[in-house]
Amino acid sequence: SQTIHQWPATLVQPVGSPLSLECTVEGTSNPNLYWYRQAAGRGLQLLFYSIGIDQISSEVPQNLSASRPQDRQFILSSKKLLLSDSGFYLCAWSPGTADTQYFGPGTRLTVL
Amino acid sequence: AQKVTQAQTEISVVEKEDVTLDCVYETRDTTYYLFWYKQPPSGELVFLIRRNSFDEQNEISGRYSWNFQKSTSSFNFTITASQVVDSAVYFCALSEDTDKLIFGTGTRLQVFP
Repeated sequence: SQTIHQWPATLVQPVGSPLSLECTVEGTSNPNLYWYRQAAGRGLQLLFYSIGIDQISSEVPQNLSASRPQDRQFILSSKKLLLSDSGFYLCAWSPGTADTQYFGPGTRLTVL
Repeated sequence: AQKVTQAQTEISVVEKEDVTLDCVYETRDTTYYLFWYKQPPSGELVFLIRRNSFDEQNEISGRYSWNFQKSTSSFNFTITASQVVDSAVYFCALSEDTDKLIFGTGTRLQVFP
């Protein structure tokens, strides 16, 4: 069966510091991968999605970036964090376009 | 433009009551998919159901049931005989046969013993 991992689970970072969140999927090949952000008390916003290695689509212009160095690894990065980057970051995978997306446990990021 | 509206921000019920969570969607496509996810306090989104636009048959899974009506662009979710473990935020979502999943703002359900 497929499993999706995210780490770290929680992170507290100062403003201006770099960020690297990692997501890995097991038990499947060539998944579509997604990064979402959920601000406190709000819905989910799609940030990036990827249909293959080094194929990244950005949905929201911001100071975040994503990379997919391996088939089942998706990384969310920032060079300098802003206060507004605080939130709950969820990674998801799906077998293909318009298929069900399955979510990881999430990373709770607090920028101080 | 695609949009999902969950007008109920928060619902409180007592255990064993039935509760219906409303979801209204907007899309211009004829092919689309509708989803419900549950987000318990731990934060992880748990997939509940996926329905395509050509299948209006209602679905029942244990205490959960879903009513899809294209005429009113609604995809409502009913929990029968609610339990405390049902307490969570529930999200309805829409996909227009793309990689983009558009979520509603969620409905927080609190079930009291």
